[in-house]
Amino acid sequence: AQSVTQLDSQVPVFEEAPVELRCNYSSSVSVYLFWYVQYPNQGLQLLLKYLSGSTLVESINGFEAEFNKSQTSFHLRKPSVHISDTAEYFCAVSPSADKIIFGKGTRLHILP
Amino acid sequence: DAGVIQSPRHEVTEMGQEVTLRCKPISGHNSLFWYRQTMMRGLELLIYFNNNVPIDDSGMPEDRFSAKMPNASFSTLKIQPSEPRDSAVYFCASSLTGTAPYYGYTFGSGTRLTVV
Repeated sequence: AQSVTQLDSQVPVFEEAPVELRCNYSSSVSVYLFWYVQYPNQGLQLLLKYLSGSTLVESINGFEAEFNKSQTSFHLRKPSVHISDTAEYFCAVSPSADKIIFGKGTRLHILP
Repeated sequence: DAGVIQSPRHEVTEMGQEVTLRCKPISGHNSLFWYRQTMMRGLELLIYFNNNVPIDDSGMPEDRFSAKMPNASFSTLKIQPSEPRDSAVYFCASSLTGTAPYYGYTFGSGTRLTVV
């Protein structure tokens, strides 16, 4: 069965510092990967996705994720975080046309 | 489009009372999902509908929980009787069948349920 593992439940980082949120997946078929973001008191929003092609995908607010097939990883990075990036981030994989499996989430705490 | 609409946003009820959560999916979406989110258990899929038919309800915790989708634009999640351990944020999400790998799901803003 396909699954997603987010290695850190919480990540504290100082404002303007770089951050990496780690995600590993298991899949035996074509891989479609996502990162969702949940801001406080809101629902989940799609941040970025990997379908095929370039292994590096970017979001509009400066996050990027790299698909690494050999390491079965899809880590999320940002070179300089802002206080507004405080949120919970979910890695997810879609193993079929209607199913998405979510990881347990990583809470990003931005320290002033 | 107004997105996935959930009501109410907040619900406080006493133990033993019936609670009904409501969801309106995005127009044209024919897959609908109910999730529960708690600090301890994270995001849990409760039930999944396709074309108004329940496909997978293996995540429904017990018989106190029931979900219906009488038409393509409305779904309810009912808890009867409610218990304090049901306190959580309940999310509804929708998608167009077959497009999850390309577009993901669209989530509502959630209903925060507190059972006292």
